[in-house]
Amino acid sequence: AQRVTQPEKLLSVFKGAPVELKCNYSYSGSPELFWYVQYSRQRLQLLLRHISRESIKGFTADLNKGETSFHLKKPFAQEEDSAMYYCALDSNTGKLIFGQGTTLQVKP
Amino acid sequence: DSGVTQTPKHLITATGQRVTLRCSPRSGDLSVYWYQQSLDQGLQFLIQYYNGEERAKGNILERFSAQQFPDLHSELNLSSLELGDSALYFCASSVDPHSNTEAFFGQGTRLTVV
Repeated sequence: AQRVTQPEKLLSVFKGAPVELKCNYSYSGSPELFWYVQYSRQRLQLLLRHISRESIKGFTADLNKGETSFHLKKPFAQEEDSAMYYCALDSNTGKLIFGQGTTLQVKP
Repeated sequence: DSGVTQTPKHLITATGQRVTLRCSPRSGDLSVYWYQQSLDQGLQFLIQYYNGEERAKGNILERFSAQQFPDLHSELNLSSLELGDSALYFCASSVDPHSNTEAFFGQGTRLTVV
């Protein structure tokens, strides 16, 4: 079965601290993985995707097929990073399977 | 602004009633997706349409139905509403579901069933 697991509901860090939001997936083929972010009262928007291998707003994520993980990392958290983060999997059909989401709280 | 428009933004209705949520995709996008976001279930895929035809179905109840019209806008119909249907309903659109293009989300419709 296709599944995305984000084990942490809430991650609270201080400004300037490193951040790692965990994501593990279950999929038998070659998935396309994404991180979406939802800032307070705003729509979901794409943060990054594994095939583009880019860094957005200082965030990076590496696909580890051996560990079936796609953890989101940022070396120095900023207060404006506070948001809900969703890891998602696209099994080449277009539909996204989302994890439960992790709320990142960056304290001053 | 993602270019995906959802109406209404908020909806309050009573149990047993029926509502229709509307979504206008981004210009040029052929694929429309509906998702339900609730506190206990998180973000759940409901249904996908591509160029007017149903493409994939997720955890959508039989009381719910959707369609995509020739102008590509989509409607999600929720009937015999229950308290547990209270949630944020998102619509997303993309150009082509097979090319792994980005899905753009609307602001959502917040449905409250009382």
